Amino acid sequence: EVQLVESGGGLVQPGGSLRLSCAASGFIFDNYGMHWVRQAPGKGLEWVSGINWNSGSAPYVDSVKGRFTISRDNAKSSLYLQMNSLRTEDTALYYCVKGNGKYWGTTFDYWGQGTLVTVSS
Amino acid sequence: QSALTQPPSASGSPGQSVTISCTGTSSDVGGYNYVSWYQQHPGKAPRLMIYEVSKRPSGVPDRFSGSKSGNTASLTVSGLQAEDEADYYCSSYAGNSIWVFGGGTKLTVL
Repeated sequence: EVQLVESGGGLVQPGGSLRLSCAASGFIFDNYGMHWVRQAPGKGLEWVSGINWNSGSAPYVDSVKGRFTISRDNAKSSLYLQMNSLRTEDTALYYCVKGNGKYWGTTFDYWGQGTLVTVSS
Repeated sequence: QSALTQPPSASGSPGQSVTISCTGTSSDVGGYNYVSWYQQHPGKAPRLMIYEVSKRPSGVPDRFSGSKSGNTASLTVSGLQAEDEADYYCSSYAGNSIWVFGGGTKLTVL
């Protein structure tokens, strides 16, 4: 059974930093691209970033470029999101999401339960 | 990186069919057959319902179907059931390793 368990969310002041983690199990982690997708309270889904199987490609949505860094540790079956210079508009539930292919695949087939990030003074 | 356009709401009575649209551009929906649909119940994580425009993952009822014409994709739910009441989101690959979502549609079963 595929499991994605996020952690690391919390309350942080504007300008602060947080590092999200996602522990994956139930599949061969280094065979798949992984993503972070966020959902602001009461709002829709927004793709944030992805990383392919060997960390060779890591694109970002424009609004987080230069502030967020995605990474993975295949030996630990873990995905990370380092978030710096946080803004109030980054407040959201952050989902760890599995792609269905080695590079990106064609869809997001499994989702974690999310970790909540709140940016507020 | 503009969001795809979905109607904010849709509704139907039990047993009826309802179709939700997802409009993009030739750079995303129209340019790739990588449109997916997700169902999200309140307080829950999204669930994949349709991928590659019209394919159903294992376990998804065949009441759910997808299609695409030009820059618009559609999700049809036939034989509506009470448990189908949820938010539905479309997504598409947009080239250059970027992905975009629609704004979501709240489906109400009357």
